[in-house]
Amino acid sequence: DAGITQSPRHKVTETGTPVTLRCHQTENHRYMYWYRQDPGHGLRLIHYSYGVKDTDKGEVSDGYSVSRSKTEDFLLTLESATSSQTSVYFCASSNLNNEQFFGPGTRLTVL
Amino acid sequence: QKEVEQNSGPLSVPEGAIASLNCTYSDRGSQSFFWYRQYSGKSPELIMSIYSNGDKEDGRFTAQLNKASQYVSLLIRDSQPSDSATYLCAVRGAGSYQLTFGKGTKLSVIP
Repeated sequence: DAGITQSPRHKVTETGTPVTLRCHQTENHRYMYWYRQDPGHGLRLIHYSYGVKDTDKGEVSDGYSVSRSKTEDFLLTLESATSSQTSVYFCASSNLNNEQFFGPGTRLTVL
Repeated sequence: QKEVEQNSGPLSVPEGAIASLNCTYSDRGSQSFFWYRQYSGKSPELIMSIYSNGDKEDGRFTAQLNKASQYVSLLIRDSQPSDSATYLCAVRGAGSYQLTFGKGTKLSVIP
């Protein structure tokens, strides 16, 4: 399994505040991904990265931005959190066979 | 819009029986296919990858792929209560590093 960690694991914040979630992988994988998972919607891709400083939008990117300054780190930022962004967020990275390995997740609640 | 469809379940099978999980996909050019297991409150865990038509076996798990019918399945032999989880089907399209996930099938193995 890929060594992927996420921080924080749980966060409660208020509407309108900025929030940054961090993903760290130790497998030297080039590709990294941010998903959100909600009941009835399954896993949906927010943003992904195909290298340092190379990122692109996924299916549900509005209200989110990402940055990748090092191979091992991929940050997801909610510029101004809204209640609709309450969700479980998963980071993943993929190997050369396109197998994706997931981090433990961050449970975010926006009040 | 690439789609991956799964029966949401729940699928209930008795302990020791074969559990059969099915997935269809819309993108005929899809190249890679994955099955993930997700326990409640946990992150998805990769259990099988399949890339060519036919069967692939790994322990009690067998993945079956039929590209002509755009169909991939997962068989779990000798089902155990510990197999009770939600199983996610994921598909990688041609020329893409992104996966499209189905919403998952919830499996319950009854002792």
